Amino acid sequence: AQKVTQAQTEISVVEKEDVTLDCVYETRDTTYYLFWYKQPPSGELVFLIRRNSFDEQNEISGRYSWNFQKSTSSFNFTITASQVVDSAVYFCALSDLKAAGNKLTFGGGTRVLVKP
Amino acid sequence: DAMVIQNPRYQVTQFGKPVTLSCSQTLNHNVMYWYQQKSSQAPKLLFHYYDKDFNNEADTPDNFQSRRPNTSFCFLDIRSPGLGDAAMYLCATSRDWGAAGEQYFGPGTRLTVT
Repeated sequence: AQKVTQAQTEISVVEKEDVTLDCVYETRDTTYYLFWYKQPPSGELVFLIRRNSFDEQNEISGRYSWNFQKSTSSFNFTITASQVVDSAVYFCALSDLKAAGNKLTFGGGTRVLVKP
Repeated sequence: DAMVIQNPRYQVTQFGKPVTLSCSQTLNHNVMYWYQQKSSQAPKLLFHYYDKDFNNEADTPDNFQSRRPNTSFCFLDIRSPGLGDAAMYLCATSRDWGAAGEQYFGPGTRLTVT
């Protein structure tokens, strides 16, 4: 069975600090996809990144970076030099070929609060 | 240039009074999803349509129904809302039914049951 665990329920930082969100997943499939979504207070889930199980290359997009390590089944997300606009709930999600198409299994989410 | 539109953004209904939430998309995607998200929880998939094929999650209550009259529109009907159905309802789309497909979410409808 698939499972995604985000152990941190809430993280509070001061603006310009870096923040790392942990994501650990479980799946029996060898082909799977990992996602991060951002949910600001407005409610809409915003897609941030997709990573497939065969691509362990880390990725950087502006102030965002992702560290994928299959050996530890982790897909962590770092926000560098955080800003108040980064305040949101962040969800890690998993989709695998046994999950009936692209049904997403979400982690519980991590609420990030960036204080000015 | 909104891509997934949900109306209304806020809906108040009475206990037991049927309510319909709507979703439309301008992406021409084949797949549309309905999720329920309760406070401080992750979204929970209720059902999805691949084109006109309806797929219900095993644990979705019978109280929840859905209609997709055409590619662009999808509706969530709650036949007899209970207090426990108060939640944010999110509509999403994806181009195809495949594990790689990213889902595009609407802004959600927050349902209050009085």
